[in-house]
Amino acid sequence: GAGVSQTPSNKVTEKGKYVELRCDPISGHTALYWYRQSLGQGPEFLIYFQGTGAADDSGLPNDRFFAVRPEGSVSTLKIQRTERGDSAVYLCASSFRVAGYNEQFFGPGTRLTVL
Amino acid sequence: ILNVEQSPQSLHVQEGDSTNFTCSFPSSNFYALHWYRWETAKSPEALFVMTLNGDEKKKGRISATLNTKEGYSYLYIKGSQPEDSATYLCAFSSTDSWGKLQFGAGTQVVVTP
Repeated sequence: GAGVSQTPSNKVTEKGKYVELRCDPISGHTALYWYRQSLGQGPEFLIYFQGTGAADDSGLPNDRFFAVRPEGSVSTLKIQRTERGDSAVYLCASSFRVAGYNEQFFGPGTRLTVL
Repeated sequence: ILNVEQSPQSLHVQEGDSTNFTCSFPSSNFYALHWYRWETAKSPEALFVMTLNGDEKKKGRISATLNTKEGYSYLYIKGSQPEDSATYLCAFSSTDSWGKLQFGAGTQVVVTP
């Protein structure tokens, strides 16, 4: 079956612009997660959803970052007034349900470059 | 240990040799420890999810052990092959927030023929 997909695969934008990153989880997965990986570091947790609601958004760095999952499937990560420090690979993952022992299936990521 | 730490940061292995590397994690509020393999230009791929102290998991030539009391896990690759070249990530989840994985920076493995 289809895995987690993310679009676009690459996004180049200018400082101050608004960007949206999209994630399509595996069909039937109720939990969806966003991480970002900066150069030389491991993935850093941003937010996760159980269904339509954000269950834990403690990793969002500031109020320029926002994520939605209105119908409990596709999710969009929105970044306002982008800064050069936002440049990273943004990873999305999904799992059948939220539980620490559930395998999270990752997409290939969106590489965001802010000039 | 407050964060997840992996060592070494990178290692080079000759084809056919065996190798191992370490993940250290907080020993309190432990829920699960995940291992992922991430090849360049691909999605991270789950190798193991381990929950019990003393757990040992095996997948082909790759195996892992878990010690939750002292907060470490080892990943072993037996008879390394060039296709084992990847970054190996471990991730910790706690009882405070099940869904949130806290990743280490990874161990980059390069297997040369």
